[in-house]
Amino acid sequence: DGGITQSPKYLFRKEGQNVTLSCEQNLNHDAMYWYRQDPGQGLRLIYYSQIVNDFQKGDIAEGYSVSREKKESFPLTVTSAQKNPTAFYLCASSHRPQPGPTPYEQYFGPGTRLTVT
Amino acid sequence: AQKITQTQPGMFVQEKEAVTLDCTYDTSDPSYGLFWYKQPSSGEMIFLIYQGSYDQQNATEGRYSLNFQKARKSANLVISASQLGDSAMYFCARLIQGAQKLVFGQGTRLTINP
Repeated sequence: DGGITQSPKYLFRKEGQNVTLSCEQNLNHDAMYWYRQDPGQGLRLIYYSQIVNDFQKGDIAEGYSVSREKKESFPLTVTSAQKNPTAFYLCASSHRPQPGPTPYEQYFGPGTRLTVT
Repeated sequence: AQKITQTQPGMFVQEKEAVTLDCTYDTSDPSYGLFWYKQPSSGEMIFLIYQGSYDQQNATEGRYSLNFQKARKSANLVISASQLGDSAMYFCARLIQGAQKLVFGQGTRLTINP
């Protein structure tokens, strides 16, 4: 079945350690996104990529890094520079955005809950 | 500012009743899109319905419909004949054209009582 995989579902790390969250999709989507969700809040965009080997910062990119070496994969690294990394992280993908009013729906993965102590 | 406002932190509704979840947005873009997503306790985001700013009719998808009032900049979600499985967080989101990124509201927690 086509979909988005995020692993692991729960992740625990010590403060000061970098950690990489996995996101894989087999939907043949060009665009991929990373969002962060804090308790009781909506999602905020961290990074997005519309095509392989290209990505842009979202609204809260500080302390995070990404790579897009393959169409199917968009890993997110939470670095030690991220001051408050404990959160729920959601990856999404969509067809490549085109000019014009018709957007493409973003499909979401199941998320990774990161706890840093 | 590209703000999405959901003014109802929590809603409690009896099963089988209809419920309206409010969403207002702020934009000066002539063309935009609005999405509603459902987030159950498991955490995944489930797409429900989409409304384009130039769509002539309000969007409908099964029990979900959108009460889109462009002049008021509101896009309220209406769920008819609510079911226990509708209990979840509901998020309204606006698509930023060009960047194709979503801006989310803070969500409404809907609880359906038997």
